[in-house]
This record gives sequence, C-alpha cells and structure tokens, in this order.
Amino acid sequence: EPEVTQTPSHQVTQMGQEVILRCVPISNHLYFYWYRQILGQKVEFLVSFYNNEISEKSEIFDDQFSVERPDGSNFTLKIRSTKLEDSAMYFCASTRTENQPQHFGDGTRLSIL
Amino acid sequence: AQKITQTQPGMFVQEKEAVTLDCTYDTSDPSYGLFWYKQPSSGEMIFLIYQGSYDQQNATEGRYSLNFQKARKSANLVISASQLGDSAMYFCAMRSMDTGRRALTFGSGTRLQVQP
Repeated sequence: EPEVTQTPSHQVTQMGQEVILRCVPISNHLYFYWYRQILGQKVEFLVSFYNNEISEKSEIFDDQFSVERPDGSNFTLKIRSTKLEDSAMYFCASTRTENQPQHFGDGTRLSIL
Repeated sequence: AQKITQTQPGMFVQEKEAVTLDCTYDTSDPSYGLFWYKQPSSGEMIFLIYQGSYDQQNATEGRYSLNFQKARKSANLVISASQLGDSAMYFCAMRSMDTGRRALTFGSGTRLQVQP
C-alpha cells in the first residue's frame, strides 16, 4: 500500500538554526498537510496546501514557518529560526481528494538544543 | 471552533475482549467528519475509521466500529476481540466538511493496554 514518507526520522538542530523537514506524499495525492505533536500532548494542525498554495493555517504557523512543493514529489516544511519550543514530532499527511481521510507519514522527531 | 474530548487517559483490556474508547465532540458545523487514529509506541499515526455526520449507519472496519450518537455528540471507538498489538495511543479527531477547511482537530488521546 502506498505510504507517505518523511525524512529524516530524527533531526537535532541548534536553537536559531534553520531546519527543513521533508515529505514525499502518496504519488497521486493533491492535498498536503503538516501537523505537530509536542511530547505527551495532542496532535496540532499547522497548515494545509493545495494547488501550490496554502489553503488553511493555524495560529501556530507564524512567519517563521513556510511550506513548499519544490518539485512533483516533495513537500517541505521550513522553520527559519528554531526555538526550543519547536521541539516536537512533525507529521506530514496527504489525501487525493479534499474529503478523504488523511494518511500520515511516520513523522520527524525534531529536537532543538 | 471544534473541540474533541477524550476522558479516559488510560484503559486496560484483557486479550480477546472488546473495549470501548470514548470520544465526545463539539462543533457548530452542520457537516463534519469524525476519525480515529492509532499511534503505537513507535510513533506513527495510523488511520483506523471514519464516520460522516450524515451517514445513516455506524462505520465498521474489520474489528473496529464507531458507535456514533449524533444527538449526544459522541463517537466512541469499539475494538472487538482485542489483540496484544492493539496496545497503543488512540486519538479521536474531527474536521469540518466545508470546502477549504480540512484541518483535523484531535483529542488528547487514550492509552490502551491489552493484557494477556
């Protein structure tokens, strides 16, 4: 069964550095999402992306965050200047149509030192 | 705004027995979807089952069924014949079905432990 793949599985970064988290959505999917889960807490929506633009974002998704689909397969989340509180598991998800259940990747654990 | 409440931080069940994980929700959207996800200790999020607010029948997927009671705003997950591999965190989630609104709102989760 096709899967959403995320790399790296674990990223360790110094505070203030930029980090890019990568996702390869399922190949015929058109809608893409990022979520995060701070350790021990609930999963929180960050952003959704369709037709090469952001279609919805949460309050968490401020100016330090950006998303990009640089080619036909990758979907990236960039955090410009990381803070300690950005430490979390980041999940990418995708769907083929707007109303399908979102299928998640295995996540990238981001640790900010 | 949408809200999901899962009141059971942890549950125990004996292998081969059925277990119900509770989920209540609140929304002003007339059309919405309800979802359950499983998160094993390895961390990935696995989609289990979906229920649309206008679906007449309760959703079932193998050993998983969703007990949807719209008037009570509840969407409980029933796992029949529990297996050791069912031990995991379970999250209830919802989203509006309005065009352009696709964000899932998650509950705080229930940790299920299946005992042999």
